[in-house]
Amino acid sequence: DAGVTQSPTHLIKTRGQHVTLRCSPISGHKSVSWYQQVLGQGPQFIFQYYEKEERGRGNFPDRFSARQFPNYSSELNVNALLLGDSALYLCASSLAGTSGGRVQFFGPGTRLTVL
Amino acid sequence: DAKTTQPNSMESNEEEPVHLPCNHSTISGTDYIHWYRQLPSQGPEYVIHGLTSNVNNRMASLAIAEDRKSSTLILHRATLRDAAVYYCILRVLGQGGSEKLVFGKGTKLTVNP
Repeated sequence: DAGVTQSPTHLIKTRGQHVTLRCSPISGHKSVSWYQQVLGQGPQFIFQYYEKEERGRGNFPDRFSARQFPNYSSELNVNALLLGDSALYLCASSLAGTSGGRVQFFGPGTRLTVL
Repeated sequence: DAKTTQPNSMESNEEEPVHLPCNHSTISGTDYIHWYRQLPSQGPEYVIHGLTSNVNNRMASLAIAEDRKSSTLILHRATLRDAAVYYCILRVLGQGGSEKLVFGKGTKLTVNP
């Protein structure tokens, strides 16, 4: 089975532009989460979506938004890009409705560079 | 946010066991302990997770202290392919069924041939 896929793999934007990142979860996974990983640091939680609804949001400004589609794929949008938004953006999917410690499976990430 | 503390780096020799420690003194009763590892420019890879009891899988073992304030990831025989940054993570549940992984800074493991 295919793992989590993300597109594009790399992206270069300039300050003030907006960007859309895409994620396809593992087949059967209904929960998608987004993380930002700045160089040299651990990933930071941005959003969790489940059944097309936002379940959780991390400490990120309103310039960051996301949505989930009926097929459970997801988009992360970032408006008015800043230099500090340069990072690896990771998408993770997990099963829903199971008890205990659900495992999140990560995609390879999208490397965003803001110039 | 719940927090984990790990050594910045550790070194091991090939085919020897490796014990990677993690402190999580502010862990709450519903937080699961997860370990992931990450190679440069790749997404994190799941290794193992647990709540209270020690856990074993084909990749590693997880030893959890009785008070749950610390844990240790054990790689039984390190190989060169185990060289990576290892993250000790708390899976935190929030309101409305939300869940998130709270990453620490990770331990960079170097494996010497």
